[in-house]
Amino acid sequence: GAGVSQTPSNKVTEKGKYVELRCDPISGHTALYWYRQSLGQGPEFLIYFQGTGAADDSGLPNDRFFAVRPEGSVSTLKIQRTERGDSAVYLCASSQDRGSGNTIYFGEGSWLTVV
Amino acid sequence: QKEVEQDPGPLSVPEGAIVSLNCTYSNSAFQYFMWYRQYSRKGPELLMYTYSSGNKEDGRFTAQVDKSSKYISLFIRDSQPSDSATYLCAMTRGVSGNTPLVFGKGTRLSVIA
Repeated sequence: GAGVSQTPSNKVTEKGKYVELRCDPISGHTALYWYRQSLGQGPEFLIYFQGTGAADDSGLPNDRFFAVRPEGSVSTLKIQRTERGDSAVYLCASSQDRGSGNTIYFGEGSWLTVV
Repeated sequence: QKEVEQDPGPLSVPEGAIVSLNCTYSNSAFQYFMWYRQYSRKGPELLMYTYSSGNKEDGRFTAQVDKSSKYISLFIRDSQPSDSATYLCAMTRGVSGNTPLVFGKGTRLSVIA
């Protein structure tokens, strides 16, 4: 596609529910990233995929968070037993190569609100 | 102390003014420095990318990096109302994917016509 596409753009869910957020990277981009941006903060790294494998998941806050990229393209971020503190914008980004800073493109984010 | 410090503002300037935005950092391993612009309810958009110390100019934008002081700046000349956005500094140790970007909090800028 023309850019990084994220769905849903907005999601309101009840505390304790399960949520899936989807990212469709730019066609041909092998590297994919998830970041989380809380209100008034900069984005914080969650996980990085190179192809199908999670090369670095050190930013995932706890085991309620999980992400997959089974075919090396679309990725899904999964959050179990959501908590109010999970409310944030979840940003997906992709890059063509191994992630040099001048080629990382961000999507518009999925705005998650846990009530 | 956070790895990257950035004054969140808000910063309000008249149209045509020169804007100076800056960040300080503590990790001397950072080598690549970036500035992103983020409009309300949009994703970050890369503005400038600099490797190591020095200056880089692109149109009305100039990025400066002073590694000895661990200080980076973004200057915007002849600021326009369309420049009103949040500006995020970001930096990384390397260009491989497993050296993720570390962002500042962002500075909210308003340019008043």
